[in-house]
Parts: sequence; structure tokens; C-alpha cells
Amino acid sequence: DIQMTQSPSSLSASIGDRVTFTCRANQTISTYLNWYQQQPGKAPKLLIYGASTLHRGVPSKFSGSMSGTEFTLTISSLEPGDFATYYCQQSHTSPWTFGQGTKVEIK
Amino acid sequence: EVQVVESGGGLVPPGGSLRLSCAVSGFTVSSNYMNWVRQAPGKGLEWVALIYGGHSAYYADSVKGRFTISRDDSKNTVYLQMDSLTTEDTAVYYCARESASISAAAFYDYWGQGTRVIVSS
Repeated sequence: DIQMTQSPSSLSASIGDRVTFTCRANQTISTYLNWYQQQPGKAPKLLIYGASTLHRGVPSKFSGSMSGTEFTLTISSLEPGDFATYYCQQSHTSPWTFGQGTKVEIK
Repeated sequence: EVQVVESGGGLVPPGGSLRLSCAVSGFTVSSNYMNWVRQAPGKGLEWVALIYGGHSAYYADSVKGRFTISRDDSKNTVYLQMDSLTTEDTAVYYCARESASISAAAFYDYWGQGTRVIVSS
């Protein structure tokens, strides 16, 4: 199975901060990388698919990029609702696998 | 409006069985790739099973031979029959629709709220 490694596992930030975190695949997955946001006690929500395409209804403060097998999710300006855990997921090779998550906490 | 509603979770002893249901409105399960994804307490997400087309089914190695995914098209509902449960199956189980973009990137775009399964004596 393809292993997805996210870093950092957690970070502390303030309202208005720009934050970036990464997801790395242990083999090439082209652009088949998705990002999800999960609030505590809630189901994950799709943010970005295909490495950089915003899902409908997702605000443009979220953006995704890639370089080789490293993928990045950026939130341009944190708002209270953005404090959550973010997961990446590859859909290149079955079984689809997720990273372990990056938890964004309030500083 | 799309609704995905899981049910059937609960407390079950090791070795026991449970059947989860995923009732969908707003789209047709038989025309979509329907998945179960689970999340153990304090852990990340793990894909469990997929059903699509003419009841083609695929499973994670961790549940193969113990879990069975099925579908009742008349009820627009997906099921997960879980047998020989172990404590490692304790998790919130989500039902999720898998879609694909024009570029063929697949993603889970609709999720239910989850149903909690606790395997404990």
C-alpha cells in the first residue's frame, strides 16, 4: 500500500495566520491527492481534489500544490472554523490511503 | 439535498457480529461507488470496503473474510456486515460516496455522520 506521511502532526497558529503543511507519498501518485478537513466529532469534508482543485463551495483561502511526491495545503488566513485536523488521501493506487493528519490548534 | 445516514453501531463482544446500514437520499447508490471508511479512537482514517456496479466489492486486507459490503437498490441503502469482530475494529464507521473528476482523480465527496462501533467484553 502507498504510505502517506503528513507533517507536522500538529501546529499552533493564530487567527489571521497563513499556515502550510505537507503530505508526502512514498511513491509517485501523479496529482491523485485529496485534502479533507475534519472538525472534532464530525465527518471529514472534502476541500481539494486532484492536488489543487477546490471542491465546490470551499473558500479560496484554501489552496493546494505539489512538487514531485510532496503536496502542500495552504490556508491563507486562519479563521476560527479552520481549527481542525486535515488529512491527505491518495487515489492513485488501490487501496486509497490517508495520511495520519495534521491538527491545527489555536495558539 | 443529499443525505447519507449511517446506523447500526453499538457495543458488541469480541467475536460478535454487527450490521451497519447507510441510507442515502439525493443520489442512487447503484450508480455510484459507495465506501465504508473507519476511524479508530484518536486515530486517522482507514478505508474499509467498496461496492459498485453489479455488486462488485473490494475490502481492506484488515477486514477481508470477516466483513461483507452489500447493497439494497430498492431501499437505496448500503450495508456492512461485520463478523468475527476484534477490539481493533472499534471505530466510528463512515459511509462515503466516491466520485471522480474529469481527470479521473477519485475522492470522497459525500459522507455520513458516522456510527460508532465498540468491540469490548
